[in-house]
Amino acid sequence: ELKVEQNPLFLSMQEGKNYTIYCNYSTTSDRLYWYRQDPGKSLESLFVLLSNGAVKQEGRLMASLDTKARLSTLHITAAVHDLSATYFCAVDKDYGGSQGNLIFGKGTKLSVKP
Amino acid sequence: NAGVMQNPRHLVRRRGQEARLRCSPMKGHSHVYWYRQLPEEGLKFMVYLQKENIIDESGMPKERFSAEFPKEGPSILRIQQVVRGDSAAYFCASSPQGIRYEQYFGPGTRLTVT
Repeated sequence: ELKVEQNPLFLSMQEGKNYTIYCNYSTTSDRLYWYRQDPGKSLESLFVLLSNGAVKQEGRLMASLDTKARLSTLHITAAVHDLSATYFCAVDKDYGGSQGNLIFGKGTKLSVKP
Repeated sequence: NAGVMQNPRHLVRRRGQEARLRCSPMKGHSHVYWYRQLPEEGLKFMVYLQKENIIDESGMPKERFSAEFPKEGPSILRIQQVVRGDSAAYFCASSPQGIRYEQYFGPGTRLTVT
């Protein structure tokens, strides 16, 4: 069974601090996705990581992928209040070449306090 | 180019009634996925459809739930005889044919069963 585990599930940070969210998965998929969800809203795509060693950065967020360890990280640098949201990682179920459905972690609820 | 559209955005049903949720994929997209999100949880895959075909319904409850994606018109997720446990946010996502890592989410339908 495909499993995606995130930790921590809850994260309270002070503005200006750094932190890392971890995402472990049990499938051999080499594609991993990070999404952001604000309360009552839909999912916003943040990063798509397509290969081992992939690293992508957008503003204060940086995501990386280690397919051998089946681990992805989402690093937050100098957090600001606007980053408060729930962050999900997901891997897709490979249908042998075509797009598969996504398996999501439970999400990390991030709260950035002044 | 309009994004994925879902309607209604909010739906209230009494126990025992039927709920119909609609999803119009992005223009040119032929793959549709339905996910369910219970409060404080990640998204769970329900069903993956292409036009007139159900590709994977492994996440769909065996009873009361059905989905279709006709040749013309939106995809429909139908829940018969709703129960309180069906209260959740239902998200639809679509992707274009032949592209493995693009999946776009709609705004969701929030179903409340009273």
